This record gives sequence, structure tokens and C-alpha cells, in this order.
Amino acid sequence: QSALTQPASVSGSPGQSITISCTGTSSDVGGYRYVSWYQQHPGKVPKVMIYDVSERPSGVSNRFSGSKSGNMASLTISGLQAEDEADYYCSSYTSSNTWVFGGGTKLTVL
Amino acid sequence: QVQLQQSGPGLVKSSQTLSLTCAISGDFVSSNSGAWDWIRQSPSRGLEWLGRTYYRSQWYHNYGLSVRSRITINPDTSKNQVSLLLTSVTPEDSAVYYCARSCGGSSCYAFHAWGQGTVVTVSS
Repeated sequence: QSALTQPASVSGSPGQSITISCTGTSSDVGGYRYVSWYQQHPGKVPKVMIYDVSERPSGVSNRFSGSKSGNMASLTISGLQAEDEADYYCSSYTSSNTWVFGGGTKLTVL
Repeated sequence: QVQLQQSGPGLVKSSQTLSLTCAISGDFVSSNSGAWDWIRQSPSRGLEWLGRTYYRSQWYHNYGLSVRSRITINPDTSKNQVSLLLTSVTPEDSAVYYCARSCGGSSCYAFHAWGQGTVVTVSS
């Protein structure tokens, strides 16, 4: 199972919006509404920010939103804040009854 | 609120078996509404899902393709914990290993709670 494809890095200024893409295949991202997104600060444990494509766990800011079209999912962060600087990973359930992750995207807040 | 506390050795020799434990509080390993996963992270392989166990009137397991021939995930109801065994390890298995919980009142397709992580180094 190949990893999902994410851009290595994205950046934005405080207050701006950014979008991180996550591209898979019809056997994972395109085949199910089971895409999730994780935020990981350096040396910390990953934290789920979005699940089931667009659902937000309790306590996660509504500045985080998710969507999907075909084989590509996206995470959008609006009103960028310094604390959003972190690595972001997407994940998808697959037709093999397994899970696959993306390679990660480093978000820099300028 | 569920909490996961991992334990196990940080150094394993090549060809030996990696063994880690994840102690669960705030839920039961045999809960009909939980699922227990192991995930690892390394610079070379990124995040990699290894496998899952869960109880729905009987125990179920499923494992990642890359480790399927070497992995076992065992629930221990007497200690309310779940263990990971990975046999015949090589330096490529060096990573930070995490246990995680899915489901538990939310989606079974995302990892909602994570252990603190265990750094495992495989020496050649």
C-alpha cells in the first residue's frame, strides 16, 4: 500500500488561510469517507483534527475544516495562528481493511 | 477520558522480538465500542499503521501488509492492556511506536487517543 501524497511544505502569514492536499487512489481516499487529519508538534504525539473527511472532534477549533473530491482530500486552516505551525498528516481507510498515512506536510507560519 | 500508558524496552537486537505493552485506563480493552491500534513513526517510513484488535462478541485482529507475517497484537483482559509483538526485527524496524484507540463513541476510522510513544532502536 503506497503512502498518500502530501506537499512537503506549505506556509502562510497570520490571519491567512492555507490548504493542504492529500492525494490517494480509488482504493483509499476516493473509495471511502474515512479520511482523517493529524497535527503533530515537534516531539509531541499526533492529535486528530478532522475525521470522516469533515468532522471535527470536540475541542478542535472551527478554523480547521476538511473536504474531499474524488481521490483528493484537503485540510483548510483559516485565520492562521502561530500555534498552528506543526506537521500535518492525512490518513485513509483502504480497501484492504488497513490504514495508510500521507508523508506529512510541514506548515510554517511566517 | 481514556488514557494509554506504554511500556517496554527501548533497545532490541536484530533478529529478536520487539515487545511493547499499552495499559488502558478510562475504558476496557474488551469494550464493544473500542478498537486498539499500533502505529509507528520513523524518518524513513513516516507514519505506518501496524494493526488493530477489537472485541465484538469475539476478538478480531487485522494487520498491515508490510508486517503481517511478523506481528501479533494481543489483548489482556485481566490487566486491561494490549500488547504488540514484532518478530525477527531489523534496524528498519527502529521507530517511535504508538498505541492508539479508535471508536469509543466516535469514528472507528480515526485514531482519537494516543499513548505517549516508545522509542525503539534495533541494533545490528
